[in-house]
Amino acid sequence: QLRLVQSGAEVKKPGSSVKVSCTASGGTFSSDAINWVRQAPGHGLEWMGGIIPVFGRVNFPQKFQDRVTMTADESTTTAYMELSSLRSEDTAVYYCARGKTIFGVVHLDSWGQGTLVTVSS
Amino acid sequence: DIQMTQSPSSLSASVGDRVTITCRASQTIGGYLNWYQQKSGKAPNLLIYAASSLQTGVPSRFSGSGSGTEFTLTISSLQPEDFATYYCQQSSTTPFTFGPGTKVHVK
Repeated sequence: QLRLVQSGAEVKKPGSSVKVSCTASGGTFSSDAINWVRQAPGHGLEWMGGIIPVFGRVNFPQKFQDRVTMTADESTTTAYMELSSLRSEDTAVYYCARGKTIFGVVHLDSWGQGTLVTVSS
Repeated sequence: DIQMTQSPSSLSASVGDRVTITCRASQTIGGYLNWYQQKSGKAPNLLIYAASSLQTGVPSRFSGSGSGTEFTLTISSLQPEDFATYYCQQSSTTPFTFGPGTKVHVK
């Protein structure tokens, strides 16, 4: 069973950047996509994109194109998501989740515990 | 982007009730639909993938159906641990999108 452990809570100033880590253990890492999903306080889930570590291939929505960087280190089985030019609306819990594909359907079957990022001056 | 809607947005129910949640997609997504349960302060948990396949370890009282644009999650007999928020998510096309959620609370 894959276990994903994320880095701790962060408090950031507007305009700065944050880098969240997600370390995998107990299962496959390189060939499945690590996805990032965020949830603003009291709101629903928003997919931010994903990376397939073995290929380094990334895919994320246009709204994050200029601000998000996703990387992965196979040697430490750790994925990273960096979000720049932070604004107050980026205050949220950020989750990493493994994307497993069965019957051609990608589904998020293992999740990290979440990292709270607070953007405040 | 594909928009996902859910109905109802919230519902009140009692233990033992049969509960049905509907999810609709703004365009056809075949069977590329997943369901998640989220409890307060916790990460989401996968219940159903590919519209109707039960994730390993999930109780059989949960079931999913549908294809195309309309999907249903059913809890056959609600248990105390099932009071939570439920989200559908399409993985037909990126960006993957989630429904707004359905909160199931105690009547």
